[in-house]
Amino acid sequence: NAGVMQNPRHLVRRRGQEARLRCSPMKGHSHVYWYRQLPEEGLKFMVYLQKENIIDESGMPKERFSAEFPKEGPSILRIQQVVRGDSAAYFCASSPPAGLAGSNQETQYFGPGTRLLVL
Amino acid sequence: AQKITQTQPGMFVQEKEAVTLDCTYDTSDPSYGLFWYKQPSSGEMIFLIYQGSYDQQNATEGRYSLNFQKARKSANLVISASQLGDSAMYFCAMREGPSGGYNKLIFGAGTRLAVHP
Repeated sequence: NAGVMQNPRHLVRRRGQEARLRCSPMKGHSHVYWYRQLPEEGLKFMVYLQKENIIDESGMPKERFSAEFPKEGPSILRIQQVVRGDSAAYFCASSPPAGLAGSNQETQYFGPGTRLLVL
Repeated sequence: AQKITQTQPGMFVQEKEAVTLDCTYDTSDPSYGLFWYKQPSSGEMIFLIYQGSYDQQNATEGRYSLNFQKARKSANLVISASQLGDSAMYFCAMREGPSGGYNKLIFGAGTRLAVHP
């Protein structure tokens, strides 16, 4: 069973460009979370999604950031018109729905992260 | 106010010794969960151990154990028989509210552990 997959692993953008970060949750997982980690800091929650629904985006900046988790395909975190302050590691995590056999619903499993560098 | 506090920015331990990484938390919700994750220099986040607020016994996973002291609101991670590969950042995290759906995690600032040979 493949783990959470994120791509790209590293992304370099110039100021003003768009960044698209992709996350494929573990098989059978229907909950996706995005976190941001600034250098030498802990992870900060950004957004929580279920298929086709944003459940909680209280950690997302109000402008330039958006997230989606379509019925088919990976979850996407999109950052428009990037600025240097957006440089960070962006982690995606997934957790299973209630009742999924053999799973621990409590635990979020993290992807390897995408390191975004804005020049 | 800080929800999760890790007061040790850095720790070091001799190989094969045990080490305790501190974590205190703040919540008024009676139902919550506590997690520890390891982040090696390669950057990924590795789940280590979980403790639910209603669990009667301290969680253990191999060489990892969680010293859960509910009245003191502490959830320290104990690593026994340290290995060189244990050198990494360690994050304590908390989920507030009942299990069963919404698992937003709040992370501490982390503790960097160095294991010396």
